[in-house]
Amino acid sequence: NAGVTQTPKFRILKIGQSMTLQCTQDMNHNYMYWYRQDPGMGLKLIYYSVGAGITDKGEVPNGYNVSRSTTEDFPLRLELAAPSQTSVYFCASSYSTASVNTEAFFGQGTRLTVV
Amino acid sequence: DQQVKQNSPSLSVQEGRISILNCDYTNSMFDYFLWYKKYPAEGPTFLISISSIKDKNEDGRFTVFLNKSAKHLSLHIVPSQPGDSAVYFCAPREMTTDSWGKLQFGAGTQVVVTP
Repeated sequence: NAGVTQTPKFRILKIGQSMTLQCTQDMNHNYMYWYRQDPGMGLKLIYYSVGAGITDKGEVPNGYNVSRSTTEDFPLRLELAAPSQTSVYFCASSYSTASVNTEAFFGQGTRLTVV
Repeated sequence: DQQVKQNSPSLSVQEGRISILNCDYTNSMFDYFLWYKKYPAEGPTFLISISSIKDKNEDGRFTVFLNKSAKHLSLHIVPSQPGDSAVYFCAPREMTTDSWGKLQFGAGTQVVVTP
């Protein structure tokens, strides 16, 4: 089991460029999440998904888009990158039903710098 | 509006001694409190949790105490080991969510265990 895999690990973008951060999980988890962590701060939820075809906004969704076409994949799209989006991005997944709940498992993170 | 505060950004402790990490919160809707541990260049990993109906939960060297009336919890690590050197995040979840991944993260406490 690879768990939660994020690519790329590092990326430098120019202002106004766009990119997609990839995330895939092989644990058959129904929930997936994108968090960002700014220096000296805790993680903040950007978007989450409760299953394929369903996504919802978190605390800081502006400037981002997501899609969930399969259970395994949850890409995060940045359109028109801005310096304020310089951060470390974490993808996570968890499993939740009426009778079973797991904690969230996180990927290794993507360090993004916008210059 | 910080709902979760970890007021000590860093903590240095000698190997074998006790590490005490504190977390304060303001939201009465939190029903579970999770602690995550994070090593550099890795994603956070789940460490221990406590339900709001309990005041203590123990797992090996790790014990979490909850004082609901004071909206305060603490994580005790006894004895501290060099491998415990990491950033520790307090991460509560709201009772209105059925997901263990929609969390509010504190800013984290960097623990350094010295020989």
